[in-house]
Amino acid sequence: GESVGLHLPTLSVQEGDNSIINCAYSNSASDYFIWYKQESGKGPQFIIDIRSNMDKRQGQRVTVLLNKTVKHLSLQIAATQPGDSAVYFCAENAGGTSYGKLTFGQGTILTVHP
Amino acid sequence: GAVVSQHPSRVICKSGTSVKIECRSLDFQATTMFWYRQFPKKSLMLMATSNEGSKATYEQGVEKDKFLINHASLTLSTLTVTSAHPEDSSFYICSARDGGSDNSPLHFGNGTRLTVT
Repeated sequence: GESVGLHLPTLSVQEGDNSIINCAYSNSASDYFIWYKQESGKGPQFIIDIRSNMDKRQGQRVTVLLNKTVKHLSLQIAATQPGDSAVYFCAENAGGTSYGKLTFGQGTILTVHP
Repeated sequence: GAVVSQHPSRVICKSGTSVKIECRSLDFQATTMFWYRQFPKKSLMLMATSNEGSKATYEQGVEKDKFLINHASLTLSTLTVTSAHPEDSSFYICSARDGGSDNSPLHFGNGTRLTVT
């Protein structure tokens, strides 16, 4: 299943399906992007990051795609599991001396049904 | 395991009182820490950047006299919500930068849930 972060903030999938979570970022000067997972009552947990000189990066079961032309970021989760249920945020960083000052997207609620 | 610790994890206080929240880096030195605020079902909003040994830098719209930040050591930053009101009730989260370069990892704490009655 797919979500467009700004208009469909919830995504429900069946266990084993692939999930795609989308994010539009705003600052063309941003050079570093991170996806975070947040479970209820906890802080953000790092999933994967990508720098602006790349357009794709893969991790374990996750892939991040970056399209700088349209300022779009996506997170693909393969073989989604119930434990993946959480809120997912993209974050952008303008870099330089402001490194670490993140601007977060609105978030997408992912629900995985067994 | 957690590398950034926040304390307390939950606090309830009465209107008009002040509350201090601590953010500690456990096994690294953090010259820079960041404080975020998150309302229910909303995203994280950066409040301020905390710099060890100097004044914090606040984001536009954040009252510095309301949210006092002290970065007294390389492993500790504190956020004090002064004269708290119910609208200050929120989830406060800190992050810390492990190193000074653009490749330095960012670590988040597990947040502090503040409820003002």
